[in-house]
Amino acid sequence: EVQLVESGGTLVRPGGSLRLSCAASGFTFITYEMSWVRQAPGKGLEWLSYISSSGSTIYHADSVKGRFTISRDNAKDSLFLQMNSLRVEDTAIYYCVKGGSYWPFDYWGQGTLVTVSS
Amino acid sequence: EIVMTQSPATLSVSPGERATLSCRASQSVSSNLAWYQQKPGQAPRLLIYAASTRATGVPARFSGSGSGTEFILTISSLQSEDFAVYYCQQYNNWPPWTFGQGTKVEIK
Repeated sequence: EVQLVESGGTLVRPGGSLRLSCAASGFTFITYEMSWVRQAPGKGLEWLSYISSSGSTIYHADSVKGRFTISRDNAKDSLFLQMNSLRVEDTAIYYCVKGGSYWPFDYWGQGTLVTVSS
Repeated sequence: EIVMTQSPATLSVSPGERATLSCRASQSVSSNLAWYQQKPGQAPRLLIYAASTRATGVPARFSGSGSGTEFILTISSLQSEDFAVYYCQQYNNWPPWTFGQGTKVEIK
C-alpha cells in the first residue's frame, strides 16, 4: 500500500523558515517523480514544486520560486520542501504527492498544516 | 500557463440523481486531464486520469469524457459518499500543472 506521510508543519513568523518532510513507502520511490501541492484555508489546489526521480530536474511555481526548494533523498525514500522567507499567504495545508510530468497525482499524503502569522 | 475553468461552482443534486460536472482548458491538453475528489478534512483522491480512465478502486458510476479543451465528469447515480468537491487538473503543458477552482456537489 502506498503511503506518504508529511511532517514539519507548524506555526511560523513571517520571514521565517521551515522544512517539510515526506516519508514514502509502499512503492519504489527512486523510480517516481514527486511533487508538492498546497491548499490555503477554504481554497483550491495549487501545484508548488516538482522533482524528477533522480532529482536532476526541478520546477517551482512562480509564487514560491526563489523562496522554496524541493529535494529528495532516494536512499531514505524521503521528499523535502525547504521554505524560506515565509509570508502570511503561504498559510496552507501542504501535500506530498506522487506524480508529475505526463502523469496525474495518483497518491496524496494526509497533508501538514503550515501557519504563517505574527 | 493553461487555465482550467470548472462549472458550475456548486451543483445541488438529490441522492440517486445524475451529476454532470464540466471542465474547460484555455488551450488543448489532449487527453492529459485528471479528476480528483476531496471530502472535508481529507486529502484529494484521484478518480479519473487520461480523461476517461478510472483510477484503482473507483466505482463504475464515475465516468469521464472529453479531449482537447472540453471535459465532463459524470456521476451516474449519486450516493451519500459522493457529496464532495471535485477538481480537474491538466498535466499536458507544464510547468505549471494547473487545477480548476473546483465544483462542490451538495445535497439538494
